[in-house]
Amino acid sequence: EVQLVESGGGLVQPGGSLRLSCAASGFTFSMYWMHWVRHAPGKGLVWVSRINSDGSSTRYADSVKGRFTISRDNAKNTLYLQMNSLSAEDTALYFCARVRAEKWGMDVWGQGTTVTVSS
Amino acid sequence: DIQMTQSPSSLSASVGDRVTISCRTSQSIINYLNWYQQKPGKAPKLLIYAASSLQSGVPARFSGSGSGTDFTLTISSLQPEDFATYYCQQSYSTPLTFGGGTKVEIK
Repeated sequence: EVQLVESGGGLVQPGGSLRLSCAASGFTFSMYWMHWVRHAPGKGLVWVSRINSDGSSTRYADSVKGRFTISRDNAKNTLYLQMNSLSAEDTALYFCARVRAEKWGMDVWGQGTTVTVSS
Repeated sequence: DIQMTQSPSSLSASVGDRVTISCRTSQSIINYLNWYQQKPGKAPKLLIYAASSLQSGVPARFSGSGSGTDFTLTISSLQPEDFATYYCQQSYSTPLTFGGGTKVEIK
């Protein structure tokens, strides 16, 4: 079964850090580009970051640039999102999603992991 | 950044109704437009990619059309399981952007 499973969310204080993971199974992870998308309570979907299949190219939303780092370990079939300098505005359900190539739709999504930034 | 204008933001419809949702982009994205369905607390589900291609496993009552800057998602006969929020998303260039969503509710 093709599957993405996120982990690493939780409650963190403003200014703190978290690292999210996204474990892939059931497909050849190294062939796919990957994205992080977040959904804040009561708001719409917001794209966060993407990485190409071999990890050599990354892109970020302006709202997270310089604070978040996307990476991947193709040997471990795992995607990561290192989040630093967190603020309340980062509170959201974070999803990882795969795409077959750069301009394709996101065809498989994880179930999401919740990040809550609060003192 | 490419701005996405999705309309309406919500609509009420009955089972069996034909539903149309529009998405307009601030510049041409050729056909790099995707549609997703999301239910509360769940991950989005890809319905349509490349403006008009039906994702595998998605019922044929869903269809997409358009190119350039104007796109449409149509549900030909609304079913009970279709009550959800729908988002358009451009994959033409980063930052990727989503429309604001259309909540489809039961009339």
